Amino acid sequence: DAGVTQSPTHLIKTRGQQVTLRCSPKSGHDTVSWYQQALGQGPQFIFQYYEEEERQRGNFPDRFSGHQFPNYSSELNVNALLLGDSALYLCASSNRWGYTFGSGTRLTVV
Amino acid sequence: TQLLEQSPQFLSIQEGENLTVYCNSSSVFSSLQWYRQEPGEGPVLLVTVVTGGEVKKLKRLTFQFGDARKDSSLHITAAQPGDTGLYLCAHESYNTDKLIFGTGTRLQVFP
Repeated sequence: DAGVTQSPTHLIKTRGQQVTLRCSPKSGHDTVSWYQQALGQGPQFIFQYYEEEERQRGNFPDRFSGHQFPNYSSELNVNALLLGDSALYLCASSNRWGYTFGSGTRLTVV
Repeated sequence: TQLLEQSPQFLSIQEGENLTVYCNSSSVFSSLQWYRQEPGEGPVLLVTVVTGGEVKKLKRLTFQFGDARKDSSLHITAAQPGDTGLYLCAHESYNTDKLIFGTGTRLQVFP
């Protein structure tokens, strides 16, 4: 049974560009959350999707947006990239029994 | 915001040593979770503690939830290089499903 799958694993973008990250949740999970993790720090909550709608949002600007599809997969979009957006982006899927994290997408903005 | 402060921030020890990592807050939690994250991977759940004073053991790892449910500790006995990683405590924000993570403790165990 596949866990959470994220793509791509690594990405290099130029400041000002836009990026889309993708996440396929674990089978049986209907909720997807996205986190940003700076090097050596704990993950910070970006937002959560359930039933194709954004259910909760953390303290991130509107440049960060997302989407959830009918098959529960999700995308994270970041516009007008800044150098400070360089981080590991983690997707976590969940149901009432708990969370499973993907291995993340390492985004580098140059 | 229910902050979780972890200490120490970094820990570098030799194989066979014992260590304790702390997770503290001024807030009361219904439960706390502990995760380990290895380089290039996402966090993996180790344990969830629910009851004040609860002690849970996972092989050489011992987890304790404070009596007042405001803090937790993780003790590792006879650390091994395979224990190397980032240890994170987390709680579910009240009345929501989002996880709030602590600041993390980076552990390096040398052979």
